[in-house]
Amino acid sequence: GESVGLHLPTLSVQEGDNSIINCAYSNSASDYFIWYKQESGKGPQFIIDIRSNMDKRQGQRVTVLLNKTVKHLSLQIAATQPGDSAVYFCADLDPQGAQKLVFGQGTRLTINP
Amino acid sequence: DTEVTQTPKHLVMGMTNKKSLKCEQHMGHRAMYWYKQKAKKPPELMFVYSYEKLSINESVPSRFSPECPNSSLLNLHLHALQPEDSALYLCASSSGHYNEQFFGPGTRLTVL
Repeated sequence: GESVGLHLPTLSVQEGDNSIINCAYSNSASDYFIWYKQESGKGPQFIIDIRSNMDKRQGQRVTVLLNKTVKHLSLQIAATQPGDSAVYFCADLDPQGAQKLVFGQGTRLTINP
Repeated sequence: DTEVTQTPKHLVMGMTNKKSLKCEQHMGHRAMYWYKQKAKKPPELMFVYSYEKLSINESVPSRFSPECPNSSLLNLHLHALQPEDSALYLCASSSGHYNEQFFGPGTRLTVL
């Protein structure tokens, strides 16, 4: 079965607000995690990644937090914009077969004007 | 050039047709991937090529036949597909397996 899952299938926030998308994983040996954004009609676009030796990583308006104790991953998007509306997937690299990226079910984020 | 290109963008084929999907990258990546994505679902891995050799086949039916003619190109040959094979087929590449995968825009395949 899948090693990653998401708490909510949809999330709506007001433009300008911060959003948090959550992800849980089951394999305590997972050691590399990626967040992807997929807009309608496009392929997934890399947002940010984090390795298991880190708890937090920041990018431009995005922060990923990793809590290995409870096997939880989150993506925080600051000051959301209409262009942030998309489906967000977390994915982890199967540590047993490092070439295999396993995606969670995805959360659809809608930014309301 | 940080782009993965895929052709065609859309493809409609009958169950007796033979067609091919093409993927190209010029980032010098030595790992290339095929994924299948059904509507409202996450991408699912089909094949992985590493240094032009097939390293993972996720028990994909033989009506899908991948080919990696060189380090920049990846093909997916299709033959005798079923309507349930209709999906978005995504190609990706990466510089290493513990590095981000860059995805192409996909080919939207419809099997009639």
